[in-house]
Amino acid sequence: QVQLVQSGGEVKKPGASVKVSCRASGYTFTNYGISWVRQAPGQGPEWMGWISVYNGDAFYGEKFRDRVTMTRDTSADAAYMELGGLSPDDTALYYCARVRSGSTDDALDIWGQGTLITVSS
Amino acid sequence: DIQMTQSPSTLSASVGDRVTISCRASQNIRSWLAWYQQKPGKAPKLLMYDVSTLQPGVPSRFSGSESETEFTLTISSLQPDDFATYYCQQYSTYSGTFGQGTRVEIK
Repeated sequence: QVQLVQSGGEVKKPGASVKVSCRASGYTFTNYGISWVRQAPGQGPEWMGWISVYNGDAFYGEKFRDRVTMTRDTSADAAYMELGGLSPDDTALYYCARVRSGSTDDALDIWGQGTLITVSS
Repeated sequence: DIQMTQSPSTLSASVGDRVTISCRASQNIRSWLAWYQQKPGKAPKLLMYDVSTLQPGVPSRFSGSESETEFTLTISSLQPDDFATYYCQQYSTYSGTFGQGTRVEIK
């Protein structure tokens, strides 16, 4: 079936970086975009950005623009999100989600299970 | 950045009630709006996109509408499985802002 499977949770120190992976299966990976969304405990989702799996173009939310990098490996059917300069405010569940089409302008129809990133000294 | 203002934040209702949730965009997003349902410990689930197009498998008691920059999710007859938190999301112009959410709880 169509699914996204993410890497496991991590605990990081303030100032560190984290890289989360998202492996797709059950569909043609290059036909759809991938967005990354995070959700802090008890809060609503927050859109972080989008990557075109087809050509690797990425667009980031203004809040994350200077410290996030989204990449993909089409040979592995996997997308990655790396966030640097971590602070305790970055403690959240991080989700990858498939964009319904290949463009940015569409809803998120398949979600990964989430990866808990905890930032603590 | 486009802001999405969702209301109410909490809604108490009974099984069988008609329920409406609103979402206002700070600027024109055309019809690029989706609604999601989220239950505790689970990822959000897409209910509908492009304002009113139901995702396959979503019951027809869910519907969506728009009036300029005001969007509405309606559940025609609330069922036990519908008690959850609902989020709107705009996906225009290389961004994807979510609303703050509406928790639908049992009255």
